[in-house]
Amino acid sequence: QLQLQESGPGLMKPSETLSLTCTVSGGSISGSSYYWGWIRQSPGKGLEWIGGIHYSGSKYYSTSLKSRVTISVDTSKKQIALRLSSVTAADTAIYYCARYSADGDFDYWGQGTLVTVSS
Amino acid sequence: QSVLTQPPSVSGAPGQRVTISCTGSSSNIGAGYDVHWYEQLPGTAPKLLIYGNNNRPSGVADRFSGSKSGTSASLAITGLQAEDEADYYCQSYDSSLSGWVFGGGTKLTVL
Repeated sequence: QLQLQESGPGLMKPSETLSLTCTVSGGSISGSSYYWGWIRQSPGKGLEWIGGIHYSGSKYYSTSLKSRVTISVDTSKKQIALRLSSVTAADTAIYYCARYSADGDFDYWGQGTLVTVSS
Repeated sequence: QSVLTQPPSVSGAPGQRVTISCTGSSSNIGAGYDVHWYEQLPGTAPKLLIYGNNNRPSGVADRFSGSKSGTSASLAITGLQAEDEADYYCQSYDSSLSGWVFGGGTKLTVL
């Protein structure tokens, strides 16, 4: 059974760079049919797609976050990384990593990690 | 303001049928992109409920069904059960934004 696990700092200060890692187990990260994405959910709010990556290195970013986001993949470690620069309180959210197909259905999700940005 | 519009809440009694609408535009649902639906129980990650407009992943009860027409899509739940109380989200691709978009979510209350 494929499992995804996010990890990273729970608390950050404004203007810092957020770094999160998603570790994949129980399956391959290099399947050609799938992409790996990051989605976030602000407290009490809906879901927002941040971006995604294919194991080959092709990257896709939300237009609203593109200037601050970098997503990378390390196939040897079976990890997907997210970096979000210049965070503010508006970036406080639960961050999920998930696998998705070319049609966009996110079929496997991590449990999510809460990131709080506060001075 | 979400690109895909869902009602904030719906409710129904056990055993009843409820539907949740998802209204988009010509740059997403109306452009022919697939619609997917997710169920999010309190304190948990979203779970894929319907993919490709009307397909259920293995393990999802056939009480759940999806449909799509024009610039809108719907999720129907029949034989409502207490365990169905959750938030439901639709999702599609938007060509104007060049990315995946979600609806604002609908909270289902089982009376």
